[in-house]
Amino acid sequence: GNSVTQMEGPVTLSEEAFLTINCTYTATGYPSLFWYVQYPGEGLQLLLKATKADDKGSNKGFEATYRKETTSFHLEKGSVQVSDSAVYFCALSDMNRDDKIIFGKGTRLHILP
Amino acid sequence: DTAVSQTPKYLVTQMGNDKSIKCEQNLGHDTMYWYKQDSKKFLKIMFSYNNKELIINETVPNRFSPKSPDKAHLNLHINSLELGDSAVYFCASSQDTRATQPQHFGDGTRLSIL
Repeated sequence: GNSVTQMEGPVTLSEEAFLTINCTYTATGYPSLFWYVQYPGEGLQLLLKATKADDKGSNKGFEATYRKETTSFHLEKGSVQVSDSAVYFCALSDMNRDDKIIFGKGTRLHILP
Repeated sequence: DTAVSQTPKYLVTQMGNDKSIKCEQNLGHDTMYWYKQDSKKFLKIMFSYNNKELIINETVPNRFSPKSPDKAHLNLHINSLELGDSAVYFCASSQDTRATQPQHFGDGTRLSIL
């Protein structure tokens, strides 16, 4: 079956550090890939998405590239801010399956000023 | 304007009680969902409705009964609440069921069972 594996947290970085949160997936079809962010006390918000191989999603300085050869969708940001502290979820949706989104277990990011 | 709104935000009740959580979306979306998030932030889908019809029903106890009176609303009724039901429940919606469509989440209902 389909699955998403993302690095366990928490991840603690200093402000302006470079961020990478790893995400790999298993899918039998042609999934769309997403990163969602959850700030404290709120629901998940879409951060970025990519719907086919080699697509790059980007938003708010975050980027992720859909790599079919390595089945990965790693999230990166060049210079993090305290306001980026949140839980980040990698997710996939496979149009050849039952169309439900499968979420990773989430990675808590904590940025120190 | 709140896109996906759910009420109540907090729900504290005793074991054995029956409670409901309501969800409304004003995005004009066709598809709505209920998720359960546990204390470790693990997110699990419970139900999905498309145009008022149930399309996803994961392995959820039949004490949980969703109801969609129209496309904009998806409510969740829970009978005979148990300690293990304590969690944050999220409602979400998407334009349709296509895999490329992102989901829009409400702010959650934190359910605590005493």
